[in-house]
Amino acid sequence: EPEVTQTPSHQVTQMGQEVILRCVPISNHLYFYWYRQILGQKVEFLVSFYNNEISEKSEIFDDQFSVERPDGSNFTLKIRSTKLEDSAMYFCASSVRGRGDGTQYFGPGTRLLVL
Amino acid sequence: EDKVVQSPLSLVVHEGDTVTLNCSYEVTNFRSLLWYKQEKKAPTFLFMLTSSGIEKKSGRLSSILDKKELFSILNITATQTGDSAVYLCAVGKDDKIIFGKGTRLHILP
Repeated sequence: EPEVTQTPSHQVTQMGQEVILRCVPISNHLYFYWYRQILGQKVEFLVSFYNNEISEKSEIFDDQFSVERPDGSNFTLKIRSTKLEDSAMYFCASSVRGRGDGTQYFGPGTRLLVL
Repeated sequence: EDKVVQSPLSLVVHEGDTVTLNCSYEVTNFRSLLWYKQEKKAPTFLFMLTSSGIEKKSGRLSSILDKKELFSILNITATQTGDSAVYLCAVGKDDKIIFGKGTRLHILP
């Protein structure tokens, strides 16, 4: 069964460093998403991406965040200058349809720890 | 502000019991209601509901949506220890999902 995959599974970085989190969405899916979950809190939407551009983003997704689909399979989230409060589990998701009509399938997550 | 509220926040039952998990929502531009199971890491998809009153079933799990009263329930019958997890309710709108805080379910053997 096709799955969303994410790398790395864990990342430890120093405050102020840049990190890139990678995702391979399910191959026939057209809509891609990033969510985060701070320990003990609920899953929060960051950004959605369709047709090579951002379709929606949350207040959390400020100028230090960016997303890219550098080739036909990868979808990346870059955090330019990490802060302590960026420590969280980051989930990538993908769906066939957008606009809330398509089931979003989640990857296993990348646990980011900023020291 | 959009809200998805789940209750109870946690629940402990014995194996074999039946449980009902609740989800109420106030979300503009509602498109769908989803249930996910989260064990150690990623939320895994259970159900997507878009129409009122139509029950969806998968084995011992079932769910129904009431779009007039703005709530959904997830039922699990004959619970097993493997059902222990956090169950997440979420609402699809625009290009995102809004999650509730989840119900942590623990099944005692």
